[in-house]
Amino acid sequence: DAGVIQSPRHEVTEMGQEVTLRCKPISGHNSLFWYRQTMMRGLELLIYFNNNVPIDDSGMPEDRFSAKMPNASFSTLKIQPSEPRDSAVYFCASSPGSDRGPRRYFGPGTRLTVT
Amino acid sequence: DQQVKQNSPSLSVQEGRISILNCDYTNSMFDYFLWYKKYPAEGPTFLISISSIKDKNEDGRFTVFLNKSAKHLSLHIVPSQPGDSAVYFCAASEGGATNKLIFGTGTLLAVQP
Repeated sequence: DAGVIQSPRHEVTEMGQEVTLRCKPISGHNSLFWYRQTMMRGLELLIYFNNNVPIDDSGMPEDRFSAKMPNASFSTLKIQPSEPRDSAVYFCASSPGSDRGPRRYFGPGTRLTVT
Repeated sequence: DQQVKQNSPSLSVQEGRISILNCDYTNSMFDYFLWYKKYPAEGPTFLISISSIKDKNEDGRFTVFLNKSAKHLSLHIVPSQPGDSAVYFCAASEGGATNKLIFGTGTLLAVQP
C-alpha cells in the first residue's frame, strides 16, 4: 500500500515568492495533519483536517500560511510570501480517525529553503 | 511553552548496551503516549505506545515506561544496534474529540559499533 505522498521533496525559493506544498494521504484515512520540524521546536502541528474540514489551525504561524483540502485525497499548504524563517521540513501525516487512536502516518517531508 | 520536553538533544551508546531516552510532560490530561523514530530524509515512523492506564509496554527490544506521578516516560532499547541510530520523538495525546498529538523536540541516538 502506498503511504503518504508529499511533493516536492525539496524546494528552494527566494524570499517573497509563493510556495505550495502538496500531500496525498493514505486512502481511507479521514484525518490529515500538517507539521513543521525545526531544531528549536521539534515537530509542530500547523493545522489538521477531519473529513476534509479544517478543525484546528491554531498552529499556523501567520496569515502568510494557508491550507486547503478540496477532497479526501489531496491537500495543499501554501506560504505567500515566503520568508527565510520559514525554512524547515514540512511533514504531512494522516490517520484513520480520532476514534482509532492518535497514531499518525507521516510522509517523507518537504525540505523548504527560503533564501 | 513546550508541553512535551526531551531535554537531551543527543545520546551516544555502544552497540549491545542499553539506550535510555527520556521525556517529560507538563499536561496531566495527557492519556496516551507514543514514540516515533526518524531516519534522515524520511518521515517519522511509529515505534511504540503506552496508555496512561499502564506503566510499562514492551515490544521486542523496545520498552516504554510511564511514571504518571513524575510526568515522565522513558524508552529503553536493549540491546542497542547500529540500525537504531536515528532521531527519537516522544509524543503525547489528550484524546477526546480533538485527538491532538504534541511532539517533543527529539533526541538523536547514535549507536557506536
